[in-house]
Amino acid sequence: GESVGLHLPTLSVQEGDNSIINCAYSNSASDYFIWYKQESGKGPQFIIDIRSNMDKRQGQRVTVLLNKTVKHLSLQIAATQPGDSAVYFCAESSGGYQKVTFGTGTKLQVIP
Amino acid sequence: DGGITQSPKYLFRKEGQNVTLSCEQNLNHDAMYWYRQDPGQGLRLIYYSQIVNDFQKGDIAEGYSVSREKKESFPLTVTSAQKNPTAFYLCASSPTGYGNIQYFGAGTRLSVL
Repeated sequence: GESVGLHLPTLSVQEGDNSIINCAYSNSASDYFIWYKQESGKGPQFIIDIRSNMDKRQGQRVTVLLNKTVKHLSLQIAATQPGDSAVYFCAESSGGYQKVTFGTGTKLQVIP
Repeated sequence: DGGITQSPKYLFRKEGQNVTLSCEQNLNHDAMYWYRQDPGQGLRLIYYSQIVNDFQKGDIAEGYSVSREKKESFPLTVTSAQKNPTAFYLCASSPTGYGNIQYFGAGTRLSVL
């Protein structure tokens, strides 16, 4: 597979525990945020998104929290499973033409 | 099946050679993008196109070229001017409109011989 996880921050979690992946963004004008999951050797897949007029959004087993005051985003995964092992990227966007800025990613390792 | 198809999965380039990476989508999306991914780094935007026959440079366009002659296709050429082409290249598409999710292909791994 591809070595997209080299030198990335790594979070190791026991199977069944909850995972929290954090992301700091720098552009105070950003108003749309997305979390992507990238498995080894594959392209990123959309997980969940949130707009700046919200503080929290829930999906299936995932929750995204947005704190605009400190420009912080987090992804919470409930009951983490081995299939959740991947690199997780946050992405931010502001205004018109859809340019998206991606973070460097966090590697999640699930321990069986 | 609807989606984005990138080919080839692996590609090798000789010194001084131009190579072209293919990206095709059948999602009827107007916007398409090319990103470069290096180990331990996020995705960096090379080029993007919001509509047929129009495209814009991203953050790292030097040494690359694109075309958008059809809505479905957005090929990327890595030219000999790109001195460090070894990377994982990702193509994405999204509907037009603000704040849309991008859908990614499976990527092309380019290496230099």
